[in-house]
Amino acid sequence: QVQLQESGPGLVKPSETLSLTCTVSGASISNYYWSWIRQPPGKGLEYIGSIFYSGSTNYNPSLKSRVTISVDTSKSQFSLKLTSVTAADTAIYYCARATQGDYWYFDLWGRGTLVTVSA
Amino acid sequence: QSVLTQPPSVSGAPGQRVAISCTGSRSNIGAGYDVHWYQQLPGTAPKVLIYGNSNRPSGVPGRFSASRSGSSASLVITGLQAEDEADYYCQSYDNSLSGSRVFGGGTTLTVL
Repeated sequence: QVQLQESGPGLVKPSETLSLTCTVSGASISNYYWSWIRQPPGKGLEYIGSIFYSGSTNYNPSLKSRVTISVDTSKSQFSLKLTSVTAADTAIYYCARATQGDYWYFDLWGRGTLVTVSA
Repeated sequence: QSVLTQPPSVSGAPGQRVAISCTGSRSNIGAGYDVHWYQQLPGTAPKVLIYGNSNRPSGVPGRFSASRSGSSASLVITGLQAEDEADYYCQSYDNSLSGSRVFGGGTTLTVL
């Protein structure tokens, strides 16, 4: 059974860098796109970006200047860094797997982790 | 302001049929990009409900169907059940500004 698990600090200070890691278990990290999606409390989903196992990335243009997604295939992990955070970055952060077959969609999600930006 | 527009809420009585629209533009759905739908039950992570415009993953009841036409897509739920009460999101790809996956703003379904 494939599972995704987010981990990282639940509280980040304004202007600092938010760092999260997603650990993939039960399957190879190869041949899929690995993504980050966030959801501010009480609001909708926002795509942050994706990385292919080989390292190529795609980012939401509105966040691109602040986002870096990386992958460590040896640890079956991928990570998110979001710089210069503000209160507007407070959200539940989900990691997700995206298929790369005929259709590109998020077929598997982690449970999500709440990150609060506050001094 | 989401790139894909959904109604904030819809409602229906048990057994009824409801439809949720997802309206895009020439840079996303109208350009032929696929639409996918996700269901988010209260307090849980989203899960894929429909992929590739009209395909149901195994385990998703046949009461859920979807279609795409022009710059819009629709999710239809027939024989509404209490457990269908959730938030529903459409998702596609937008080729403007170097391209990105995009979500609709979400629709809250209330079963009366």
